Order: sequence, then structure tokens, then C-alpha cells
Amino acid sequence: GDSVTQMEGPVTLSEEAFLTINCTYTATGYPSLFWYVQYPGEGLQLLLKATKADDKGSNKGFEATYRKETTSFHLEKGSVQVSDSAVYFCALSKIGNEKLTFGTGTRLTIIP
Amino acid sequence: NAGVMQNPRHLVRRRGQEARLRCSPMKGHSHVYWYRQLPEEGLKFMVYLQKENIIDESGMPKERFSAEFPKEGPSILRIQQVVRGDSAAYFCASSPPAQSETQYFGPGTRLLVL
Repeated sequence: GDSVTQMEGPVTLSEEAFLTINCTYTATGYPSLFWYVQYPGEGLQLLLKATKADDKGSNKGFEATYRKETTSFHLEKGSVQVSDSAVYFCALSKIGNEKLTFGTGTRLTIIP
Repeated sequence: NAGVMQNPRHLVRRRGQEARLRCSPMKGHSHVYWYRQLPEEGLKFMVYLQKENIIDESGMPKERFSAEFPKEGPSILRIQQVVRGDSAAYFCASSPPAQSETQYFGPGTRLLVL
């Protein structure tokens, strides 16, 4: 079946550091790919998405590019802030099967 | 436009009791999804409903769990005879009919079974 594999956490970075959180997927067909963020005690918020190969999703300084050749959707940010501390989830869904399949999440902590 | 609402936010039950979790989707959304998040794990799909219909329940445990989304009122996830292993955060998400790939999540209900 479909699956998402995420970089193991936790990840701790200093403020203004460069961030990469790796995500790879296994799926038949052409899934849509998502990054969700979960702040402490809250639900998930959609951070960005990409629906086809070579699409780049971006939001709030975060970016991820849909790479079909490497089945990856790595999350990047050039300069992280303390407010970016959260758990980040990579996910996929397919047309006709709208359920989201999530990775296990990566906990990110940014220290001043 | 209010977001997805879930209540209660926290629920404590003793083993053997029933738990009822409610989800009110965003205005105009007719698709509801339930996910479960066990401690330190990702979210796992449970069930996908449209008004008065269960579309996909492939992630629901075969016993004790049921879900509904009536014509009027919120979606309900019901867990009968709860056990300690049911302790988790339960998240509801909703989407509009024409954009079902983008789901909007509620704040979750954290169930603790004593």
C-alpha cells in the first residue's frame, strides 16, 4: 500500500539556520503531496502542497518540490525562527481515494 | 468563517464506558474524515463520510467503533466499551465537495482511558 517515510526527529536548530526535513513516498499513480504543521496542543494546519511532478509548493518561507524521479518531497526553509518550532508531517493523497496517508512526523525545535 | 470544531477537547473515560466525539465541519463542507493519533506517532486514517453516507471505513477497528454524519448536526465518532489502548488524540477534518484533496483539521479531542 501507499506509505510516507519521514526523517526521524527530533531536530534542533539555532535561529536563522537552514532547515531540511526529508520525506519520501511510495505510491502507485500520481499522488498529491502535502506538508502539515502541528503546534503544541493544536490540530494540523496545511503548510503547503503540490499536485504534480516538478510542482513547488511554498508558504511562510517554506518550500518543497515534488520530485517524481526520487519520489521525494523534502521541506526546506532558508532561515528558521523560534516560532517555527512544531511537529511537521508529510502526507499524500490520491484522486478517488481522498484519505491522507501521513508520515510519523518530525519534531522541530528552534533555539534562540 | 469558523474552522472545524470538535468537542469535547479533552475526554476522560474509565474502561468499559462509552466515548462520543463530535465534529462540526466548516461551513459549506460536506466531507468529513476522522484520524487517530497515538502518542508519538503520525495520524492514521479511520473513516471518510459524506452526509448520511460512509464512503470509506477501511481504517476503523472492526469492533466497538462507529461513525455517522447525519443530515443535520455534527459528525459523531462513537467508541463503545473503551479500553486503555483507545487513549489517543482524535482529529476530524473536513473538505468542500469540489476540493476533497485539501482537508482542514479541527483541534482534536484527546481521549484518556483510565
